[in-house]
Amino acid sequence: GAVVSQHPSWVICKSGTSVKIECRSLDFQATTMFWYRQFPKQSLMLMATSNEGSKATYEQGVEKDKFLINHASLTLSTLTVTSAHPEDSSFYICSASGTSGTLSSYEQYFGPGTRLTVT
Amino acid sequence: QQQVKQSPQSLIVQKGGISIINCAYENTAFDYFPWYQQFPGKGPALLIAIRPDVSEKKEGRFTISFNKSAKQFSLHIMDSQPGDSATYFCAASTGGYQKVTFGIGTKLQVIP
Repeated sequence: GAVVSQHPSWVICKSGTSVKIECRSLDFQATTMFWYRQFPKQSLMLMATSNEGSKATYEQGVEKDKFLINHASLTLSTLTVTSAHPEDSSFYICSASGTSGTLSSYEQYFGPGTRLTVT
Repeated sequence: QQQVKQSPQSLIVQKGGISIINCAYENTAFDYFPWYQQFPGKGPALLIAIRPDVSEKKEGRFTISFNKSAKQFSLHIMDSQPGDSATYFCAASTGGYQKVTFGIGTKLQVIP
Protein backbone atom coordinates (compact mmCIF):
# COMPACT_ATOMS: atom_id res chain seq x y z
CA GLY A 1 0.00 0.00 0.00
CA ALA A 2 0.83 3.74 0.02
CA VAL A 3 1.83 4.16 -3.60
CA VAL A 4 2.23 7.61 -5.10
CA SER A 5 2.68 8.13 -8.82
CA GLN A 6 3.80 11.12 -10.83
CA HIS A 7 3.28 11.95 -14.45
CA PRO A 8 5.21 12.62 -16.52
CA SER A 9 8.46 11.15 -15.26
CA TRP A 10 10.40 13.57 -17.40
CA VAL A 11 9.53 16.51 -19.59
CA ILE A 12 11.39 18.92 -21.82
CA CYS A 13 9.76 22.22 -22.68
CA LYS A 14 10.69 25.47 -24.31
CA SER A 15 11.25 28.62 -22.34
CA GLY A 16 8.04 30.58 -21.85
CA THR A 17 5.69 27.62 -21.99
CA SER A 18 3.78 26.05 -19.09
CA VAL A 19 4.12 22.52 -17.82
CA LYS A 20 1.73 20.53 -15.64
CA ILE A 21 2.88 17.71 -13.37
CA GLU A 22 0.39 15.31 -11.82
CA CYS A 23 0.71 13.54 -8.50
CA ARG A 24 -1.66 10.73 -7.60
CA SER A 25 -2.11 8.58 -4.53
CA LEU A 26 -3.07 5.21 -5.96
CA ASP A 27 -4.29 3.25 -2.97
CA PHE A 28 -5.11 5.74 -0.26
CA GLN A 29 -6.77 9.09 0.19
CA ALA A 30 -4.24 11.86 0.50
CA THR A 31 -5.55 14.51 2.84
CA THR A 32 -2.36 16.50 2.44
CA MET A 33 0.09 16.64 -0.42
CA PHE A 34 3.47 18.30 -0.57
CA TRP A 35 5.58 19.49 -3.47
CA TYR A 36 9.36 19.58 -3.35
CA ARG A 37 12.11 20.45 -5.76
CA GLN A 38 15.56 18.97 -5.66
CA PHE A 39 18.67 20.22 -7.39
CA PRO A 40 21.48 17.79 -8.25
CA LYS A 41 23.27 16.44 -5.20
CA GLN A 42 21.17 18.57 -2.87
CA SER A 43 18.44 17.96 -0.37
CA LEU A 44 14.73 18.32 -0.96
CA MET A 45 13.32 21.81 -0.67
CA LEU A 46 9.66 22.09 0.24
CA MET A 47 7.77 24.35 -2.13
CA ALA A 48 4.22 24.12 -0.86
CA THR A 49 1.70 22.17 1.17
CA SER A 50 -1.81 21.55 -0.11
CA ASN A 51 -4.91 20.18 1.49
CA GLU A 52 -7.77 18.84 -0.57
CA GLY A 53 -10.17 21.60 -1.51
CA SER A 54 -8.05 24.37 -0.03
CA LYS A 55 -5.52 26.82 -1.37
CA ALA A 56 -1.92 25.71 -1.13
CA THR A 57 0.41 27.14 1.48
CA TYR A 58 3.67 28.21 -0.12
CA GLU A 59 7.04 28.32 1.55
CA GLN A 60 8.86 31.61 1.79
CA GLY A 61 10.52 32.56 -1.44
CA VAL A 62 8.36 30.34 -3.66
CA GLU A 63 6.38 32.30 -6.24
CA LYS A 64 2.78 31.14 -6.00
CA ASP A 65 1.87 32.75 -9.32
CA LYS A 66 4.61 30.82 -11.04
CA PHE A 67 4.07 27.46 -9.36
CA LEU A 68 0.34 26.83 -9.40
CA ILE A 69 -0.83 24.00 -7.19
CA ASN A 70 -4.26 22.43 -7.31
CA HIS A 71 -5.46 19.69 -4.97
CA ALA A 72 -8.92 19.09 -6.36
CA SER A 73 -9.48 15.60 -5.03
CA LEU A 74 -8.19 13.29 -2.32
CA THR A 75 -6.10 11.39 -4.86
CA LEU A 76 -4.81 14.07 -7.21
CA SER A 77 -2.67 17.17 -6.94
CA THR A 78 -1.15 19.08 -9.82
CA LEU A 79 1.78 21.46 -10.06
CA THR A 80 1.85 23.80 -13.02
CA VAL A 81 5.05 25.65 -13.76
CA THR A 82 3.94 28.73 -15.68
CA SER A 83 6.16 30.56 -18.14
CA ALA A 84 8.99 28.18 -17.43
CA HIS A 85 12.57 29.34 -17.72
CA PRO A 86 15.85 27.40 -17.70
CA GLU A 87 16.37 28.15 -14.00
CA ASP A 88 13.17 26.20 -13.29
CA SER A 89 14.86 23.05 -14.54
CA SER A 90 14.90 20.69 -11.61
CA PHE A 91 13.64 17.43 -10.17
CA TYR A 92 10.13 17.91 -8.79
CA ILE A 93 8.85 15.43 -6.25
CA CYS A 94 5.48 15.18 -4.59
CA SER A 95 4.54 13.38 -1.40
CA ALA A 96 1.26 12.52 0.23
CA SER A 97 -0.05 11.90 3.71
CA GLY A 98 -3.30 10.24 4.60
CA THR A 99 -4.92 7.66 6.78
CA SER A 100 -6.03 4.33 5.43
CA GLY A 101 -5.78 1.00 7.14
CA THR A 102 -2.35 0.88 8.73
CA LEU A 103 -1.15 4.21 7.33
CA SER A 104 -0.29 6.91 9.81
CA SER A 105 -0.86 10.60 9.17
CA TYR A 106 2.73 11.14 10.26
CA GLU A 107 4.12 9.28 7.29
CA GLN A 108 4.75 10.85 3.92
CA TYR A 109 4.94 8.74 0.81
CA PHE A 110 6.88 10.09 -2.08
CA GLY A 111 6.31 9.89 -5.78
CA PRO A 112 9.10 8.87 -8.17
CA GLY A 113 9.74 12.46 -9.23
CA THR A 114 9.53 14.42 -12.47
CA ARG A 115 12.62 15.69 -14.22
CA LEU A 116 11.86 19.05 -15.86
CA THR A 117 14.27 20.51 -18.38
CA VAL A 118 13.53 23.93 -19.82
CA THR A 119 15.43 24.81 -22.98
CA GLN B 1 18.48 28.20 9.31
CA GLN B 2 19.25 24.52 9.05
CA GLN B 3 16.88 22.89 11.49
CA VAL B 4 18.16 19.37 10.96
CA LYS B 5 21.92 18.97 10.72
CA GLN B 6 23.21 15.78 9.15
CA SER B 7 26.68 14.31 8.97
CA PRO B 8 28.72 13.08 7.25
CA GLN B 9 27.83 14.25 3.77
CA SER B 10 29.53 11.24 2.27
CA LEU B 11 30.48 7.87 3.65
CA ILE B 12 32.38 4.91 2.27
CA VAL B 13 31.98 1.60 4.05
CA GLN B 14 33.21 -1.85 3.19
CA LYS B 15 30.73 -4.62 2.58
CA GLY B 16 29.71 -6.17 5.86
CA GLY B 17 30.62 -3.10 7.87
CA ILE B 18 28.42 -0.76 9.87
CA SER B 19 27.28 2.52 8.35
CA ILE B 20 26.47 5.29 10.82
CA ILE B 21 24.81 8.57 9.94
CA ASN B 22 24.13 11.21 12.56
CA CYS B 23 21.58 13.98 12.80
CA ALA B 24 20.84 16.75 15.26
CA TYR B 25 17.81 18.97 15.52
CA GLU B 26 16.99 22.25 17.19
CA ASN B 27 13.21 22.48 17.24
CA THR B 28 11.88 20.74 20.34
CA ALA B 29 8.43 20.64 18.76
CA PHE B 30 9.60 17.91 16.38
CA ASP B 31 8.02 14.62 17.35
CA TYR B 32 8.52 12.38 14.36
CA PHE B 33 11.89 11.46 12.91
CA PRO B 34 11.94 9.48 9.66
CA TRP B 35 14.84 8.34 7.55
CA TYR B 36 14.55 8.20 3.79
CA GLN B 37 16.61 6.35 1.22
CA GLN B 38 16.95 7.79 -2.26
CA PHE B 39 18.49 6.22 -5.34
CA PRO B 40 19.60 8.42 -8.26
CA GLY B 41 16.70 9.68 -10.32
CA LYS B 42 14.10 8.31 -7.90
CA GLY B 43 11.95 9.75 -5.18
CA PRO B 44 12.83 9.16 -1.52
CA ALA B 45 11.48 6.04 0.12
CA LEU B 46 10.62 5.84 3.80
CA LEU B 47 13.11 3.52 5.46
CA ILE B 48 12.39 3.67 9.16
CA ALA B 49 11.01 6.24 11.58
CA ILE B 50 10.90 6.88 15.30
CA ARG B 51 8.88 8.89 17.78
CA PRO B 52 10.66 10.55 20.74
CA ASP B 53 9.06 8.30 23.33
CA VAL B 54 11.46 5.47 22.45
CA SER B 55 15.25 5.46 22.39
CA GLU B 56 15.77 2.83 19.74
CA LYS B 57 13.93 1.18 16.89
CA LYS B 58 15.18 -1.69 14.81
CA GLU B 59 13.91 -3.02 11.52
CA GLY B 60 16.05 -5.70 9.97
CA ARG B 61 19.54 -4.32 9.42
CA PHE B 62 18.43 -0.73 10.09
CA THR B 63 18.39 0.79 13.57
CA ILE B 64 17.54 4.29 14.73
CA SER B 65 19.03 5.48 17.99
CA PHE B 66 17.37 8.50 19.54
CA ASN B 67 18.67 10.77 22.32
CA LYS B 68 15.97 13.24 23.25
CA SER B 69 18.02 15.18 25.79
CA ALA B 70 20.84 15.71 23.32
CA LYS B 71 18.41 16.30 20.45
CA GLN B 72 20.28 13.81 18.32
CA PHE B 73 19.39 10.70 16.40
CA SER B 74 21.30 8.35 14.20
CA LEU B 75 20.86 5.60 11.65
CA HIS B 76 22.92 2.43 11.86
CA ILE B 77 23.04 0.07 8.92
CA MET B 78 24.42 -3.29 9.99
CA ASP B 79 26.12 -5.67 7.57
CA SER B 80 26.14 -2.98 4.87
CA GLN B 81 25.70 -4.24 1.33
CA PRO B 82 26.53 -2.71 -2.07
CA GLY B 83 22.78 -2.47 -2.68
CA ASP B 84 22.58 -0.05 0.24
CA SER B 85 24.59 2.47 -1.75
CA ALA B 86 22.26 5.47 -1.94
CA THR B 87 21.68 8.86 -0.43
CA TYR B 88 20.13 8.85 3.01
CA PHE B 89 18.17 11.74 4.46
CA CYS B 90 17.21 12.20 8.06
CA ALA B 91 14.15 14.33 8.63
CA ALA B 92 11.82 15.66 11.28
CA SER B 93 8.27 16.89 11.53
CA THR B 94 5.97 18.26 14.18
CA GLY B 95 3.09 15.88 13.66
CA GLY B 96 0.55 14.31 11.35
CA TYR B 97 0.01 15.99 7.99
CA GLN B 98 2.83 18.40 8.78
CA LYS B 99 5.72 19.30 6.53
CA VAL B 100 8.94 17.39 6.86
CA THR B 101 12.27 19.17 7.31
CA PHE B 102 15.12 17.29 5.68
CA GLY B 103 18.79 17.05 6.52
CA ILE B 104 21.35 17.73 3.84
CA GLY B 105 21.74 14.06 2.95
CA THR B 106 24.51 11.48 3.19
CA LYS B 107 25.78 9.72 0.12
CA LEU B 108 26.67 6.20 1.18
CA GLN B 109 28.89 3.99 -0.92
CA VAL B 110 29.38 0.40 0.11
CA ILE B 111 32.37 -1.14 -1.57
CA PRO B 112 32.81 -4.89 -2.07
